[in-house]
Amino acid sequence: DTGVSQDPRHKITKRGQNVTFRCDPISEHNRLYWYRQTLGQGPEFLTYFQNEAQLEKSRLLSDRFSAERPKGSFSTLEIQRTEQGDSAMYLCASSFAANTGELFFGEGSRLTVL
Amino acid sequence: DQQVKQNSPSLSVQEGRISILNCDYTNSMFDYFLWYKKYPAEGPTFLISISSIKDKNEDGRFTVFLNKSAKHLSLHIVPSQPGDSAVYFCALSGGTSYGKLTFGQGTILTVHP
Repeated sequence: DTGVSQDPRHKITKRGQNVTFRCDPISEHNRLYWYRQTLGQGPEFLTYFQNEAQLEKSRLLSDRFSAERPKGSFSTLEIQRTEQGDSAMYLCASSFAANTGELFFGEGSRLTVL
Repeated sequence: DQQVKQNSPSLSVQEGRISILNCDYTNSMFDYFLWYKKYPAEGPTFLISISSIKDKNEDGRFTVFLNKSAKHLSLHIVPSQPGDSAVYFCALSGGTSYGKLTFGQGTILTVHP
């Protein structure tokens, strides 16, 4: 399977704990994006990388959130001191740099904070 | 300050008929207008797009219309099939990164056999 893969698919944690999600993009793609989707809403942009450089972060991304893409391949999204409001689906997508919005999304990592 | 709105949370259509999904936006800065489809337990999948210099784009059963003066985007599916039942999101891109999409809230389309 050469699509975007995300791990874990589902994470249940207690408030205050740290969680980390991993995304493996399509190997030829040099751009990687993180989005968050809550119930009844469309995905919201969080941040994106071109190769290993993080080029933009949304103001939705508080200080408790950090994303990395250390070697320009896979990426991690860490949430520290989770809150119940962090419960959402975290979607990763990848694309070529020269794209007009056509992204390839993974199946998502669902976070439930108790 | 919701920039993109899909005012119909759901739409029910008979198989073989036309499905029309609508999307309104407020900001004229967007260059590309896209539709994504999402099945349960899957990520969104790109369906069709249109650039701001066009007013219509067709791909098989799917046609996207753009009315820039009205800031309105629509997706027509004809004929509709039960396999088209999914959540449809409009998404707008532009500015410094075309991958930074602004999505609508989604419309649940149900096509009945």
